Amino acid sequence: NAGVTQTPKFQVLKTGQSMTLQCAQDMNHNSMYWYRQDPGMGLRLIYYSASEGTTDKGEVPNGYNVSRLNKREFSLRLESAAPSQTSVYFCASSVYYRDVANTGELFFGEGSRLTVL
Amino acid sequence: KQEVTQIPAALSVPEGENLVLNCSFTDSAIYNLQWFRQDPGKGLTSLLLIQSSQREQTSGRLNASLDKSSGRSTLYIAASQPGDSATYLCAVEESDYKLSFGAGTTVTVRA
Repeated sequence: NAGVTQTPKFQVLKTGQSMTLQCAQDMNHNSMYWYRQDPGMGLRLIYYSASEGTTDKGEVPNGYNVSRLNKREFSLRLESAAPSQTSVYFCASSVYYRDVANTGELFFGEGSRLTVL
Repeated sequence: KQEVTQIPAALSVPEGENLVLNCSFTDSAIYNLQWFRQDPGKGLTSLLLIQSSQREQTSGRLNASLDKSSGRSTLYIAASQPGDSATYLCAVEESDYKLSFGAGTTVTVRA
């Protein structure tokens, strides 16, 4: 059982280049998320997808776009990378229903470490 | 805006000692609180999820309490082991799908 799989694990970009981070989950979860983690700042939500066919902005969406390709896959795209986007990016998924107790537990991928020069 | 604070930022204890990790949040209108573990260079692993209507959750040597009115949660790890060395993060869900994370407490358990 692979859980949440992210690719690539490491990437170095030059300012202005574009790239897409891929994420896939095999747990039949309805909700998927992209976070970034920066030292001393905790994790911040970039975008999320509550269910297949929907996406919404999180706390720090500027400079990013997302696509929920199907129930399993949720990609994050940087159209024109900037040094401020140097970070570790995590994809996560959950079974989430607002009125159902004990849902919402997040399962994370191993992270994608991105450096923008 | 919800602020989640974890103090101390780092903690070192001898093996066998009980661990007490603190998490505080500024807005008590939360849906749930989760505790996570993160090993160096890895993703986060969910340890416990406490719904807002609950006071505590237990899993093995782990026990987490929640006091919404005071904006506090505590994670207890009994009889610590070197394998417990990691960073522990708490997160509160304040609205649908949106969690606010603390910066974490890095724990070192000395053999």
